[in-house]
Amino acid sequence: QKEVEQDPGPLSVPEGAIVSLNCTYSNSAFQYFMWYRQYSRKGPELLMYTYSSGNKEDGRFTAQVDKSSKYISLFIRDSQPSDSATYLCAMRFSGGYNKLIFGAGTRLAVHP
Amino acid sequence: DTGVSQNPRHKITKRGQNVTFRCDPISEHNRLYWYRQTLGQGPEFLTYFQNEAQLEKSRLLSDRFSAERPKGSFSTLEIQRTEQGDSAMYLCASSSWLSKEETQYFGPGTRLLVL
Repeated sequence: QKEVEQDPGPLSVPEGAIVSLNCTYSNSAFQYFMWYRQYSRKGPELLMYTYSSGNKEDGRFTAQVDKSSKYISLFIRDSQPSDSATYLCAMRFSGGYNKLIFGAGTRLAVHP
Repeated sequence: DTGVSQNPRHKITKRGQNVTFRCDPISEHNRLYWYRQTLGQGPEFLTYFQNEAQLEKSRLLSDRFSAERPKGSFSTLEIQRTEQGDSAMYLCASSSWLSKEETQYFGPGTRLLVL
């Protein structure tokens, strides 16, 4: 079993839809949670960063962390075709060498 | 701040050849990471440098792989006697210990194809 599970999709939605992306994890020691966006053949780009449990909002993006359920989510409001990409969840422990553990990524397609 | 750069962007080689990739981190970032990403998967951690010291290596980093970061600036990742299974995107990331969140910024990657 992988430490971080993420549905690979693909997920196809119409422009303007609310998108929900999720990851589950098994190690309760994870403290930092991130969402990266990766366009085809490019490096990952950080979208959201959350420490421990709670919500964080940035423009059209909202990240939620529920440590009791070992579940994290990313919501995208008013989705645009430019949001079409692969979304990777990532997490790391507190202290140590800060290596990131990634999910497999969810491919999202937003069609006009 | 020009971001993390990686060279070459693409590399095609024949099985058994040696290849070397270079990563230039964001200036003044003292932490540097290498990850490997195969098709349909998320990046997997390979190794980590703090300044010039290599502090952690993944089990994925077999004896054929070696990484260096002389003088704590750029880093190189060498793969000796390449195998078809080495075909992947090799990603470099850097971060600063001075940053509270220690966000890792990724480069564009080097895509390796072993024939």
